Amino acid sequence: AQKVTQAQTEISVVEKEDVTLDCVYETRDTTYYLFWYKQPPSGELVFLIRRNSFDEQNEISGRYSWNFQKSTSSFNFTITASQVVDSAVYFCALSGNQAGTALIFGKGTTLSVSS
Amino acid sequence: KAGVTQTPRYLIKTRGQQVTLSCSPISGHRSVSWYQQTPGQGLQFLFEYFSETQRNKGNFPGRFSGRQFSNSRSEMNVSTLELGDSALYLCASSLMGSQYEQYFGPGTRLTVT
Repeated sequence: AQKVTQAQTEISVVEKEDVTLDCVYETRDTTYYLFWYKQPPSGELVFLIRRNSFDEQNEISGRYSWNFQKSTSSFNFTITASQVVDSAVYFCALSGNQAGTALIFGKGTTLSVSS
Repeated sequence: KAGVTQTPRYLIKTRGQQVTLSCSPISGHRSVSWYQQTPGQGLQFLFEYFSETQRNKGNFPGRFSGRQFSNSRSEMNVSTLELGDSALYLCASSLMGSQYEQYFGPGTRLTVT
């Protein structure tokens, strides 16, 4: 069975601090896909990144970076120099490779950035 | 390009009634997935449709059903509503399925009284 664990329920930081959101996953598939989504207070989930299981390169996009490590089944997300607008719920998700496979979400981490 | 739209945005129903929610995916997207979001259970997969065929269904009772039309628009129906069905129902569209990035609509907030 596939499972995604986000152990951090809530994180509070002050603006300009760096913050890392942890994600650990379980799957028996050799080919799978990992995602991060952001859900701001407005409620609409926003796609941030997709990574396939064969690509372990870290990725950086502006203040966002992702660290994928198959050896520890982790796909962590770091926000550098956090801003108030980063306040949201962040979800890590996992999908298999079969057609019609479900996207399995973690419980989410609520990030609060104060000024 | 227009995003995913869902109607209605808010709905209040009474226990025992039924409800139909609608989702219009991004143009060109053939896959539509539905999710239920509650504070206790988080985001849970309901079902996925691709080219009018249900390809997968989550662990929900038969009261939850859906369909997809030839223009990729999708509807989900919940019959005999229960208080526990109160949730945010999210629709997501993608080109081919959940292996690809999914784009979510704003959701329909259903309250069952």
